[in-house]
Amino acid sequence: DAGVTQSPTHLIKTRGQQVTLRCSPKSGHDTVSWYQQALGQGPQFIFQYYEEEERQRGNFPDRFSGHQFPNYSSELNVNALLLGDSALYLCASSPTGRKTEAFFGQGTRLTVV
Amino acid sequence: AQRVTQPEKLLSVFKGAPVELKCNYSYSGSPELFWYVQYSRQRLQLLLRHISRESIKGFTADLNKGETSFHLKKPFAQEEDSAMYYCALPANNAGNMLTFGGGTRLMVKP
Repeated sequence: DAGVTQSPTHLIKTRGQQVTLRCSPKSGHDTVSWYQQALGQGPQFIFQYYEEEERQRGNFPDRFSGHQFPNYSSELNVNALLLGDSALYLCASSPTGRKTEAFFGQGTRLTVV
Repeated sequence: AQRVTQPEKLLSVFKGAPVELKCNYSYSGSPELFWYVQYSRQRLQLLLRHISRESIKGFTADLNKGETSFHLKKPFAQEEDSAMYYCALPANNAGNMLTFGGGTRLMVKP
């Protein structure tokens, strides 16, 4: 089992552009959460997907959106990128009924210039 | 609102010395608390949770509801313990989103 995999590992985008990040959960996990980790800070919850629907959302603007596919993989989309969106984006998957038992991916490092 | 505070950004100790990484929280209700660790060039991973009352890699953490603390302790630090440590708790009663502290970097010197 490869665990939680994220792609790409690094990404550079220009202000105003749009970006899509991808996540494949650990085998047997059906819940995917996304976190933003700015430099020198702890991860901040963006949202969580379960059964292809957004179930919980943190304090992030509508520019941040997501999707979950029938195979439980997920995408994070960010529109109208700002310099402040530069961060490490972490995907975490959890098994049914144990949603705080989070397994994290390596993350995608997004740099907005 | 639920909040986790890790007052030390950096903790530096010598090998063999005791270690205590501090974590204070604010939470309405009975919290479920976690410690996550991130070793260099590795992913964030769960170290331990208070409900299991286990010791992982020699680390233990006791929930003190009176002081609203969940400090991580190890009696004798090893160089391989050098890493970023994050304290976390569920951000809502549904328990399906985690609030993390800002993290403490532990450096264990030889």
